[in-house]
Amino acid sequence: AQSVSQHNHHVILSEAASLELGCNYSYGGTVNLFWYVQYPGQHLQLLLKYFSGDPLVKGIKGFEAEFIKSKFSFNLRKPSVQWSDTAEYFCASSGSYQLTFGKGTKLSVIP
Amino acid sequence: DTAVSQTPKYLVTQMGNDKSIKCEQNLGHDTMYWYKQDSKKFLKIMFSYNNKELIINETVPNRFSPKSPDKAHLNLHINSLELGDSAVYFCASSQEGSSYNEQFFGPGTRLTVL
Repeated sequence: AQSVSQHNHHVILSEAASLELGCNYSYGGTVNLFWYVQYPGQHLQLLLKYFSGDPLVKGIKGFEAEFIKSKFSFNLRKPSVQWSDTAEYFCASSGSYQLTFGKGTKLSVIP
Repeated sequence: DTAVSQTPKYLVTQMGNDKSIKCEQNLGHDTMYWYKQDSKKFLKIMFSYNNKELIINETVPNRFSPKSPDKAHLNLHINSLELGDSAVYFCASSQEGSSYNEQFFGPGTRLTVL
C-alpha cells in the first residue's frame, strides 16, 4: 500500500524567508504526486502535480517541487513566502480511485 | 460557478441521530469521492464511486452509506452518529479514477456530534 509522510508538523517563517516542506512516499512503482493547499476555512486546492518528465515541477503562486526518485522525495519549495501563504499543505500520491495524503504541514508566516 | 458543492457547511447533532450530507459536481466528472479529515487535519479516503458504482469502501463502518443517484451527485448518509464521527467531510470529483486525474474538492462539511 502507498504511504506518504510529511516530516514537518508546523513550520513558522517570517515573510520573505524561503520555504521547503518535506514529503516522502513509499510506493516503489509508478507514482503520481500532488501538493494541495488548504487555506484557513477553505477547501483543498491543487498547487502542483508530477506524473513524469522534468522532475522540477512549477505550480501556482510561485511554488515548485522537485521529484527525486532515489530519495523517494517530492519536496515543496518557495523562494520567498508571504503572509498569505499561511495554510495547511498536504502532499499526496494517487492510486486508482484514491489519493493517499500525508498528515499535512501547517505553515504560519509572520508579517 | 461552484464546481463541487456540499450541503450543509456545518452540521451539529446529538449522538444516535441520523444525518445526511449532500454533494454535487457540475464538472461532468465520472468519479466522486468522500474523504474524512479528523481533528489533526489528517485526510483519509472513505469511498470512491465511478459512474454511480461503488469502487472503494475503505473500511468505513456500515453506519456510513453513500448513495449516488446519478454521476453528478454523491450523498453520504450516517446512521446512529457517534462522538468519533465528528470531523470535516470533503467530497471530491475527478474526470475518471485513474491516478493521472486531479481531484477537485468541495468546501467541506464540519460535523459536530454532541
